[in-house]
Amino acid sequence: DSGVTQTPKHLITATGQRVTLRCSPRSGDLSVYWYQQSLDQGLQFLIQYYNGEERAKGNILERFSAQQFPDLHSELNLSSLELGDSALYFCASSVSGVPGELFFGEGSRLTVL
Amino acid sequence: GQSLEQPSEVTAVEGAIVQINCTYQTSGFYGLSWYQQHDGGAPTFLSYNALDGLEETGRFSSFLSRSDSYGYLLLQELQMKDSASYFCAVRDQGNQGGKLIFGQGTELSVKP
Repeated sequence: DSGVTQTPKHLITATGQRVTLRCSPRSGDLSVYWYQQSLDQGLQFLIQYYNGEERAKGNILERFSAQQFPDLHSELNLSSLELGDSALYFCASSVSGVPGELFFGEGSRLTVL
Repeated sequence: GQSLEQPSEVTAVEGAIVQINCTYQTSGFYGLSWYQQHDGGAPTFLSYNALDGLEETGRFSSFLSRSDSYGYLLLQELQMKDSASYFCAVRDQGNQGGKLIFGQGTELSVKP
């Protein structure tokens, strides 16, 4: 158990809908990262927050948005869903100053029908 | 652009040694990490190299050559439970909590 909690674990929805994925980082971790993993693919970086501020942005679609709240939990909002958005969405957190090591949650598996 | 290249799959027998290579081309480089992922589960951290050379952690070792933009993960005394996907990842920023750019992963199959 990494200490990073993601909800929901599984989500099935229809095209055009909007969903929110939630992540609680490990206690004390200030950075939160979101990654997307499509079937048999690598982990695509979406966005990073550090202590409530957006720190880095990857190839995140305009239909996707995220935020990190004062209690450091984060939410990833996916809207106008398309079939191709079906994927595993991972949240990870890290300890400031410890390079290279991210702690991943178990992921949220999104299926768009 | 940013790219990391690693073999898509590798097969080895139990007890053997296997090396998974990773070459990278990124806009910035502060270190190379390796992660293991079983069947779509949470990726777990294995090692991190910021400087050239070999880092050893039990049966796993990781090597980095910054001049060659190359690294590898060495797994010794392979066990069936080592069957998993292995990802190399580059830390491309030096600021606090720099993000990681991941390769496409190498699927390792360990045969009895």
